[in-house]
Amino acid sequence: RKEVEQDPGPFNVPEGATVAFNCTYSNSASQSFFWYRQDCRKEPKLLMSVYSSGNEDGRFTAQLNRASQYISLLIRDSKLSDSATYLCVVNVYGNNRLAFGKGNQVVVIP
Amino acid sequence: NAGVTQTPKFQVLKTGQSMTLQCAQDMNHNSMYWYRQDPGMGLRLIYYSASEGTTDKGEVPNGYNVSRLNKREFSLRLESAAPSQTSVYFCASSDLGQENTEAFFGQGTRLTVV
Repeated sequence: RKEVEQDPGPFNVPEGATVAFNCTYSNSASQSFFWYRQDCRKEPKLLMSVYSSGNEDGRFTAQLNRASQYISLLIRDSKLSDSATYLCVVNVYGNNRLAFGKGNQVVVIP
Repeated sequence: NAGVTQTPKFQVLKTGQSMTLQCAQDMNHNSMYWYRQDPGMGLRLIYYSASEGTTDKGEVPNGYNVSRLNKREFSLRLESAAPSQTSVYFCASSDLGQENTEAFFGQGTRLTVV
C-alpha cells in the first residue's frame, strides 16, 4: 500500500462551486500533514498545514481524521485561478522525509 | 532571501553523458531532498539528506549519486544518463522534526536525455 494515496481526477468544477477531496495515508504514526499546490510546470508551494482540530484559510478548509487516516481539502466558491494540482503531503517524525501523494488535479470551468 | 536555488533550469544530455544538478538553500535548514516528477507519477524521492554529512536513499535512487557538500548545498549527479532519466527534478529543503514545518522547493530542472 502506498504511503499517501490520492484520486488524481481531474475534478472539473464549475466556477463558484464547491469541491472537496480526500487523501489517505498508511502510516498511523504520521504526525504532520500538509496540502501543497502545484501549478503546471512549476514547483509545489505550501497551501496550508493541516492541524488536528481542522483549519480554515479563506475559501480553503482542511480536516484531519486520524481514526480513518485521511485528510481532506475543501475549496468553496471556486475561482478560475484555483485550477492546479493539490498535493497531499505527510511526515512521520523521526523519518526525516516527506511522503507525497500524486495529487488531485482541479480544473475550474467558467 | 532566495530560498532554494537550483541550476540549471533546463538541460539536454545525450545518453551516457554525465552531469551534476546543483541545489543551494539559504534558510539554514538541516534537511534537503531531491525529487523527480514524471507525468502521472507524482513526486518521487531520489535521495535525501537529514543533516550535513548524511545521505539516504529514497524511493528511486538507482542511477543517481548525491553529495551534501555543506549545510547549504546538496548536489545530484547522473554518472551515465539514460532516456529513462528524462524528467523534472526538484530540490527541496526543510527542518523536519519541528511540528508542521513546511518544505520549500526550487524551481526545478527540466532534463531531457536523448
